Amino acid sequence: AQRVTQPEKLLSVFKGAPVELKCNYSYSGSPELFWYVQYSRQRLQLLLRHISRESIKGFTADLNKGETSFHLKKPFAQEEDSAMYYCALSTITSGTYKYIFGTGTRLKVLA
Amino acid sequence: DGGITQSPKYLFRKEGQNVTLSCEQNLNHDAMYWYRQDPGQGLRLIYYSQIVNDFQKGDIAEGYSVSREKKESFPLTVTSAQKNPTAFYLCASRPPDRLIKGYTFGSGTRLTVV
Repeated sequence: AQRVTQPEKLLSVFKGAPVELKCNYSYSGSPELFWYVQYSRQRLQLLLRHISRESIKGFTADLNKGETSFHLKKPFAQEEDSAMYYCALSTITSGTYKYIFGTGTRLKVLA
Repeated sequence: DGGITQSPKYLFRKEGQNVTLSCEQNLNHDAMYWYRQDPGQGLRLIYYSQIVNDFQKGDIAEGYSVSREKKESFPLTVTSAQKNPTAFYLCASRPPDRLIKGYTFGSGTRLTVV
């Protein structure tokens, strides 16, 4: 079965504390994973993709095929990081690409 | 500036009424998608289209219909058969270099049944 699991609906941390948003996936093919972020009153936008090991706004995510995980991490949370975060798995069936999204994690960074 | 425009931003529907949500893009993307966003359920795929005049059902297509007569436009009709239509609806398009750019999303339409 193709599935993306984000176990935490809400994650509250204090400013300056480390953050880890969990994402686990189930997929028989070669996984292509993304993190999207939705700030208040803004549209959903791409944050990170697994193919490029980059740091965006201080966030990083490593694909761990052994643990089937793609957790999002930031060493020091900022108040402006408060948003809804979605993990997405890109799947291909009969030549068609589709995303499977997790249920999302709302991150609240407290002052 | 290229992007996706969804209209209206807010839409109210009476019981038994069909309504159509607009999605227009000027990005020249072939593939377009409609998602429904509900609290605690993430984004669920309603319909998608890989090319003009072709579209496929997603995971929750019942009670919805679409058309793709032009590359730029992918309207979604919420019919009276949709039992629980109150939700936030997102339209997206996929660029050829999807692994680099990801999908582009519209700003959404919030539909409420009154």
